[in-house]
Amino acid sequence: DGGITQSPKYLFRKEGQNVTLSCEQNLNHDAMYWYRQDPGQGLRLIYYSQIVNDFQKGDIAEGYSVSREKKESFPLTVTSAQKNPTAFYLCAAKIGAGANVLTFGAGSRLTVL
Amino acid sequence: GNSVTQMEGPVTLSEEAFLTINCTYTATGYPSLFWYVQYPGEGLQLLLKATKADDKGSNKGFEATYRKETTSFHLEKGSVQVSDSAVYFCALTSTSGTYKYIFGTGTRLKVLA
Repeated sequence: DGGITQSPKYLFRKEGQNVTLSCEQNLNHDAMYWYRQDPGQGLRLIYYSQIVNDFQKGDIAEGYSVSREKKESFPLTVTSAQKNPTAFYLCAAKIGAGANVLTFGAGSRLTVL
Repeated sequence: GNSVTQMEGPVTLSEEAFLTINCTYTATGYPSLFWYVQYPGEGLQLLLKATKADDKGSNKGFEATYRKETTSFHLEKGSVQVSDSAVYFCALTSTSGTYKYIFGTGTRLKVLA
């Protein structure tokens, strides 16, 4: 089945450590996104990528980094510079230009101890 | 800039009750409008969408009509079930090709048997 796979589902991190969240898609979609979800705040855009080797900052990019070396993969690194990293992280993808539907992964929950 | 405002929850209903979740938006031009649903511990799934004024999106008994004159896209269902308990997100995207989606803060629905 085509879809988006995020891993790990749950992740615990000590303060000061970097952690990388994986996002893989087999939908052959061009655009990929990372969102952060906090209770009562909806979804906030961290980074997005329209094509391979290109990505743009979203509304809350500070403390995060991404790469897009392959069409299928868009990993997110939460660095030690992110002051409040505990959250639910969602990866999404869509076909390309135009107002198309976003397809989401199941999410990764990061907890900083 | 673009924005989405949806009613705060939680909304608690008895099974077979009528559901309305209000959503209004601010946007230039003619955005596409979406309702997504999120079940506990999962990512978001598209529920329905509408791409132009007066369009009605529908799925699984849910409906929403794109009202340009009132800038609204209210979600309705005639008879809710316990299985409809989830968080519902209203969202929009510009048709100008910016690839950015704007989400509301979500409305939690709880349906009691």
